[in-house]
Amino acid sequence: SAVISQKPSRDICQRGTSLTIQCQVDSQVTMMFWYRQQPGQSLTLIATANQGSEATYESGFVIDKFPISRPNLTFSTLTVSNMSPEDSSIYLCSVEGPGGTDTQYFGPGTRLTVL
Amino acid sequence: EDQVTQSPEALRLQEGESSSLNCSYTVSGLRGLFWYRQDPGKGPEFLFTLYSAGEEKEKERLKATLTKKESFLHITAPKPEDSATYLCAVRISSGSARQLTFGSGTQLTVLP
Repeated sequence: SAVISQKPSRDICQRGTSLTIQCQVDSQVTMMFWYRQQPGQSLTLIATANQGSEATYESGFVIDKFPISRPNLTFSTLTVSNMSPEDSSIYLCSVEGPGGTDTQYFGPGTRLTVL
Repeated sequence: EDQVTQSPEALRLQEGESSSLNCSYTVSGLRGLFWYRQDPGKGPEFLFTLYSAGEEKEKERLKATLTKKESFLHITAPKPEDSATYLCAVRISSGSARQLTFGSGTQLTVLP
């Protein structure tokens, strides 16, 4: 399995501001995934980040709102832009296991509250 | 449209009272079905991957099984530390899609 860390673990932000979430993996991985988990809900995929190419966004998520960077094989960032209270969620990054396994391993999450 | 439905939404068991959680799925083609455990305030923790009907996986008090339409997570003689939300997810086999589609989860509470 992969060891994944996220920063910050939690934050409280004001409406209209932006927050960048970092995801660090202890091994090189091709694809990284960003999910959102709204209060009391399950996980919804925001985008898939492949190193060296533009992120692929799911329906309902756009790059202007959730820009993603993937500068190398162990790191990615997700920015939540122009935040509103509806963006209050847990944001999770995940990676596939070593050797191209189908299993995804998740980071501890970033709990975001927007006032 | 690919769908994953978990039942029940919540389950309360007495310590030692065995039960099963259900995950039914409707997908165009199943590449894999995954079970995760999620504790409050934490990311999902991987439990099992199942690939084909008839497959079973076990880990301590947990056993996951798979049919062509659903998966079960059997919990034998649960303990309070098994209390968590259990998530089911699928990956479809079409094209290059690698993302997981999650069910809404079953919140399990095991009372001492």
